[in-house]
Amino acid sequence: QKEVEQDPGPLSVPEGAIVSLNCTYSNSAFQYFMWYRQYSRKGPELLMYTYSSGNKEDGRFTAQVDKSSKYISLFIRDSQPSDSATYLCAMSLSGGYQKVTFGTGTKLQVIP
Amino acid sequence: KAGVTQTPRYLIKTRGQQVTLSCSPISGHRSVSWYQQTPGQGLQFLFEYFSETQRNKGNFPGRFSGRQFSNSRSEMNVSTLELGDSALYLCASKLPGQGAYEQYFGPGTRLTVT
Repeated sequence: QKEVEQDPGPLSVPEGAIVSLNCTYSNSAFQYFMWYRQYSRKGPELLMYTYSSGNKEDGRFTAQVDKSSKYISLFIRDSQPSDSATYLCAMSLSGGYQKVTFGTGTKLQVIP
Repeated sequence: KAGVTQTPRYLIKTRGQQVTLSCSPISGHRSVSWYQQTPGQGLQFLFEYFSETQRNKGNFPGRFSGRQFSNSRSEMNVSTLELGDSALYLCASKLPGQGAYEQYFGPGTRLTVT
């Protein structure tokens, strides 16, 4: 079993929909939780990160961490065609620890 | 400010050969990490270099090696290539002391082994 599980999709939604992306993990020692967006032929770019449990909001994006369930989510409100990309969740034991464990990514397509 | 650059962007090699990939970090960034990305395994951490020293290493065989130069540029080498080494190889850089979540990724080198 992988340390981080993420549904690969693809996930196809109409423009304006609310998108929910999720990951589960097995290592309860993870403290930092990140979401990256990766466009085709590009490297991943950080969208948001959260320390420990709780919610964090940035514009149309909301990240949630539930450590008791070992479950993290990314919500995208009012989705746009420009949001079409692969979304990767990632986790690390501490902020300074460079060994980041990634999910395999969920491919999202937002249809105009 | 220029981003992380990787060369070459695409590479085709034959099984058994070796390959060297190059990464130039963002100016001032002295920490460089390498990752392998495949559809089945996702992104997997290879190693991290800081000030020409390897600081962390992932679970990859010894055929995968790297180094960092005094100007912070980094190279990774894969010897005796196998078909399973076909992947996107990404490097990421960050400032010393910054968290892993503050690293910036390059566009990657797409390696195909035939």
